[in-house]
Amino acid sequence: QKEVEQNSGPLSVPEGAIASLNCTYSDRGSQSFFWYRQYSGKSPELIMSIYSNGDKEDGRFTAQLNKASQYVSLLIRDSQPSDSATYLCAVNAGGTSYGKLTFGQGTILTVHP
Amino acid sequence: GAVVSQHPSWVICKSGTSVKIECRSLDFQATTMFWYRQFPKQSLMLMATSNEGSKATYEQGVEKDKFLINHASLTLSTLTVTSAHPEDSSFYICSAKAFTNTGELFFGEGSRLTVL
Repeated sequence: QKEVEQNSGPLSVPEGAIASLNCTYSDRGSQSFFWYRQYSGKSPELIMSIYSNGDKEDGRFTAQLNKASQYVSLLIRDSQPSDSATYLCAVNAGGTSYGKLTFGQGTILTVHP
Repeated sequence: GAVVSQHPSWVICKSGTSVKIECRSLDFQATTMFWYRQFPKQSLMLMATSNEGSKATYEQGVEKDKFLINHASLTLSTLTVTSAHPEDSSFYICSAKAFTNTGELFFGEGSRLTVL
């Protein structure tokens, strides 16, 4: 079983719609959760971090965390073509591994005009 | 803030040669940096944890004698791919933790290595 799993997609949504990206993780002791955006040929860019259960909103982005279900999601409202990228879910176990991230395989998002 | 710079951004070398990649934290001090590798259409895989002033910690399956890591100062870590082979061709990305109270990592621009 992979430690961090994402649906690889591709996920295609029309411009202006809500894109929903999902991620599950296997280590129940995980403490920190991140969403990174990666454009083709570029390095990842941090867009959201979440540490406690519930929702966290930042502009058009909302991260949702449910530790009981070991599930974290990212919602992108009013999707734009510029949001087309690969979205990586990353999890940190904390403790002695603080700072080490385990990445999912990424979900390719395409926003079409 | 929290800018990480990597150099070179791309490099082409012949098989058997060595290549050095530099990772610098520009506006903060990083006692720990992380080196990741990403093959095409795959996710990032952690190679090693670079600790300032001490030996790097390598992930299982990563050859420490092939991927030499030096973290000589609080703002610079280097990765040297020794005796590179075509299968080492990949996108190498360094990252650093800028804030002590969170686990956020900030990534360098990445270095694309092509070994002929």
